[in-house]
Amino acid sequence: DGGITQSPKYLFRKEGQNVTLSCEQNLNHDAMYWYRQDPGQGLRLIYYSQIVNDFQKGDIAEGYSVSREKKESFPLTVTSAQKNPTAFYLCASSQDRVGSPLHFGNGTRLTVT
Amino acid sequence: RKEVEQDPGPFNVPEGATVAFNCTYSNSASQSFFWYRQDCRKEPKLLMSVYSSGNEDGRFTAQLNRASQYISLLIRDSKLSDSATYLCVVNVFNFNKFYFGSGTKLNVKP
Repeated sequence: DGGITQSPKYLFRKEGQNVTLSCEQNLNHDAMYWYRQDPGQGLRLIYYSQIVNDFQKGDIAEGYSVSREKKESFPLTVTSAQKNPTAFYLCASSQDRVGSPLHFGNGTRLTVT
Repeated sequence: RKEVEQDPGPFNVPEGATVAFNCTYSNSASQSFFWYRQDCRKEPKLLMSVYSSGNEDGRFTAQLNRASQYISLLIRDSKLSDSATYLCVVNVFNFNKFYFGSGTKLNVKP
């Protein structure tokens, strides 16, 4: 079955460490996205990519970095510069045409202490 | 002003009730509209797309009013399993951006 796989499901890190969240899709979607969700709040866009080797900052990109070396993969690095990294991180993808919805991975819950 | 606004609720309804949610959006260039369902501590899942003429999927009916810039979701004969947060999502394709409402929480009680 096609889908988006995020790993790991839960991640624990010490403050000051960089951490990379994995996102892989086999839906052949061009566009991929990273969102952050905090308790009781809506989704906020971190980064998105419409094509391989290209990506754009979202609304809250500071302290994060991404790469898009392959169509299937869009890893997110949470750097030590991110002041409040503890959150639920969601990766999504969509086809590049009007009317195409977002498809989400099952998320990574990151806790930094 | 937020791009997409929803009443956060919660809406507390008995089983079998009919409940409706509205969502307003600010960008008149918005082209695609969706309702997602999100269970606690899970990822959002597509419930239905919203088409200009309105559309129905079983107990769920979605409508779009472009003139007033709002979309609605009607749930008939509510089930306990309908308890979740419902997210309104709007896409402005030219910018390849999806805008999310903060969600409306529904609690269906026995």
